[in-house]
Order: sequence, then C-alpha cells, then structure tokens
Amino acid sequence: EAGVAQSPRYKIIEKRQSVAFWCNPISGHATLYWYQQILGQGPKLLIQFQNNGVVDDSQLPKDRFSAERLKGVDSTLKIQPAKLEDSAVYLCASSPRLGTGDTEAFFGQGTRLTVV
Amino acid sequence: AQKITQTQPGMFVQEKEAVTLDCTYDTSDQSYGLFWYKQPSSGEMIFLIYQGSYDEQNATEGRYSLNFQKARKSANLVISASQLGDSAMYFCAMRGNQGGKLIFGQGTELSVKP
Repeated sequence: EAGVAQSPRYKIIEKRQSVAFWCNPISGHATLYWYQQILGQGPKLLIQFQNNGVVDDSQLPKDRFSAERLKGVDSTLKIQPAKLEDSAVYLCASSPRLGTGDTEAFFGQGTRLTVV
Repeated sequence: AQKITQTQPGMFVQEKEAVTLDCTYDTSDQSYGLFWYKQPSSGEMIFLIYQGSYDEQNATEGRYSLNFQKARKSANLVISASQLGDSAMYFCAMRGNQGGKLIFGQGTELSVKP
C-alpha cells in the first residue's frame, strides 16, 4: 500500500512570495490533515478535511493560508504572502475515517519550508 | 479543550536498557484515543502504539508498551531494550470523539547511548 505522498520535500522562498504544497493521501482515506511543525515543537493542526469538506480550520491563518481538497482526494496548501515565521515543516496526514478515537493518522514525509 | 503535556524535553538511555517517556493529557471527552509517534531525523511521523480510553489492559507492540493510568490521566510510553535506532523525537497525541482532531504534545528527544 502506498503511503501519503507530499511534494516538494524542500522549498526556500523569500518573504512575501507565495508557495504551494501538494499532498496525495492513502487511497480510500476520507480524512486529510495539514499540520505545521515549527522546529522544536509538536505538530499543530492547520486544517482537517473530511472528503472535500472542511471539518476544522480554526488554527489556519486565513489571511495568508488557504487549502483545498478537490474531489475529496489530493490536497493543496498555499501560503500567500509568506512571512519569516512560516518557516516550518508542513506535514500532511490521512485517516480512513473521521471521528472515532481509535483511528491513527498516517503521515507523509513533510515539506520543509524556509522563508528568508 | 484537549491538551497533551510532555514534560521531558530530552532523555538519555543506555543501549539495551528500558526507558519511560512521560505523557499527561486533559480532556472532557468520555471516549478518546491516545497515540505515540516516533519522528526520526528524516522527519516522517511513525505510528508506534495506540491505547483506547475504555481498554482495560495496557497496549503493547513489540518493545513498546503504554502505561495507561486513566485516573491520573497519564499515558507513558515504555521502550524496553533500547536500540541505537530508537534515537528520535517521540510525540504523544490524543484524539477525542469530537470531530476526530488529533492533537500533539511538545515531544521528547530520546538519545540512546552505546
């Protein structure tokens, strides 16, 4: 079974530029998450999708971050314009279904973003 | 609100010895799940072990076991017979039954010495 795929692995941009990250979850997984992990911290949830609908985006900085999951499969996370504090690893994860406590999330290898 | 607390920023253990990584949690959900993930330097989050809030027995997966004390709201990870490859960041996480949100603690960096 193929895992969660993310691209690119690394990205360096200047502040105020825009950037996009792509995620393809495990086939058949209904739930998709984007996390931001700043160096030395635990992952923080940015947005959670169930199929192509948003379940939770309470911690997404909507003035500069946007995400979509068209057709309920792969997803794109965009930052425009980027700030220095956006430097982090962006992790995508997927789960087979929403909600019940016993469902672990499967993670991709992440995209390491450096804003200079 | 749900919260996970890991109070050990870094831990050292001698190879072949056992080590316990601490995790406490807070939730008002009656049903929830607790998870431990390993994050090596490559960055990928690797699922290790799961404990359900209604499970009466502590979970075990090979060299990993979860010491679950519900009344104390703790879910410590025990790694037996540590190996050099166990050196990594370890994250405790929790999912309640309110929308499936998976939240993480700050992590513990484990270093295994030869």
